[in-house]
Amino acid sequence: EAGVAQSPRYKIIEKRQSVAFWCNPISGHATLYWYQQILGQGPKLLIQFQNNGVVDDSQLPKDRFSAERLKGVDSTLKIQPAKLEDSAVYLCASSIGQLDGYTFGSGTRLTVV
Amino acid sequence: RKEVEQDPGPFNVPEGATVAFNCTYSNSASQSFFWYRQDCRKEPKLLMSVYSSGNEDGRFTAQLNRASQYISLLIRDSKLSDSATYLCVVNGGTGRRALTFGSGTRLQVQP
Repeated sequence: EAGVAQSPRYKIIEKRQSVAFWCNPISGHATLYWYQQILGQGPKLLIQFQNNGVVDDSQLPKDRFSAERLKGVDSTLKIQPAKLEDSAVYLCASSIGQLDGYTFGSGTRLTVV
Repeated sequence: RKEVEQDPGPFNVPEGATVAFNCTYSNSASQSFFWYRQDCRKEPKLLMSVYSSGNEDGRFTAQLNRASQYISLLIRDSKLSDSATYLCVVNGGTGRRALTFGSGTRLQVQP
């Protein structure tokens, strides 16, 4: 079974620039999550999709972050404009249902300089 | 108060030792509980689910105490390959179903 695919693996941008991350979940997984993991901390949920609808985006900084999952499969997460404190690993995960364990992608390591 | 609290460690133990990690969670409505393992610069991977009756998977034993809102992980006969960060994870319960992660406990098994 193919895992969760994410790209790019690494990204370095200057503050105030924009950046986008892409995620392709495991086939058949209806639920998709984006997490932010800052060094030394556990992953923190940014947004949860069920098919193409948003279930929870309460912790998404909506003034600069946006995410979509238009056809209920792939998803993109965008940051515009980036700040230094956005430097983190952005992890995409998917699951069959909302009470199941997740499978994570390998993440995108973002450095904002 | 953090939703999921863990001792950050690090726990430095010799090979063959038994080590236990503890975790507390604040949301009494949480329904699902897990331990994840995260190697340095890698993504978290599911180690095991945690059930009310307690469960075992080889050298790993997980326990859940709903009354005290407490989860534990016991690793017996530690191997060098067990060195990693162990994340305590709970489902957010009513209103937020996504998993909430603790900050992790770092384990270093030494030869």
